Amino acid sequence: DQQVKQNSPSLSVQEGRISILNCDYTNSMFDYFLWYKKYPAEGPTFLISISSIKDKNEDGRFTVFLNKSAKHLSLHIVPSQPGDSAVYFCAASFKDSNYQLIWGAGTKLIIKP
Amino acid sequence: ETGVTQTPRHLVMGMTNKKSLKCEQHLGHNAMYWYKQSAKKPLELMFVYSLEERVENNSVPSRFSPECPNSSHLFLHLHTLQPEDSALYLCASSPHVNYNSPLHFGNGTRLTVT
Repeated sequence: DQQVKQNSPSLSVQEGRISILNCDYTNSMFDYFLWYKKYPAEGPTFLISISSIKDKNEDGRFTVFLNKSAKHLSLHIVPSQPGDSAVYFCAASFKDSNYQLIWGAGTKLIIKP
Repeated sequence: ETGVTQTPRHLVMGMTNKKSLKCEQHLGHNAMYWYKQSAKKPLELMFVYSLEERVENNSVPSRFSPECPNSSHLFLHLHTLQPEDSALYLCASSPHVNYNSPLHFGNGTRLTVT
């Protein structure tokens, strides 16, 4: 049973517009959520995170929103740029399990010029 | 060099071969990890080391054998692998083993078992 789901395998967005990447989870006990970005032939790089006690975290063009009642997480990128084309992974963790990250399968974002 | 470096980048091996993957981190971190990424599947945690001590062996078959001689180096020794073991193997490090500590990944080793 997959506890973290990214239901859209891919997403295409026009340059300059907003990109919204979604992530759903089933376990309400998650304490922390992270987003990673991955370019082809490279490892994932950390992008932004949010604690379960918050509902929003912003870092430049990137904002993560957490809706605990809906068990839903989203990453907003505004404005979208060609360099944002990558695969985006969401991941979740528990305080009690220091190292166990539960990963989504990823969403491929394509920014069209 | 900076960050997390993995070698080789690509590896093709037969089922009877023995090979090793190497990972080195230059970040001064205390924790190192091996992950497996198969096509279209979430990343799977294989092993975790904290200060050279293994803290997790995530039900990984014994044909995968990790080694952590010091906090900067991590190896994954491979022997008698199966074709279904073909995947991208990613090494990562973090300052400490902590639920909110972001991971720093290497670029991975693309393994093909023939």
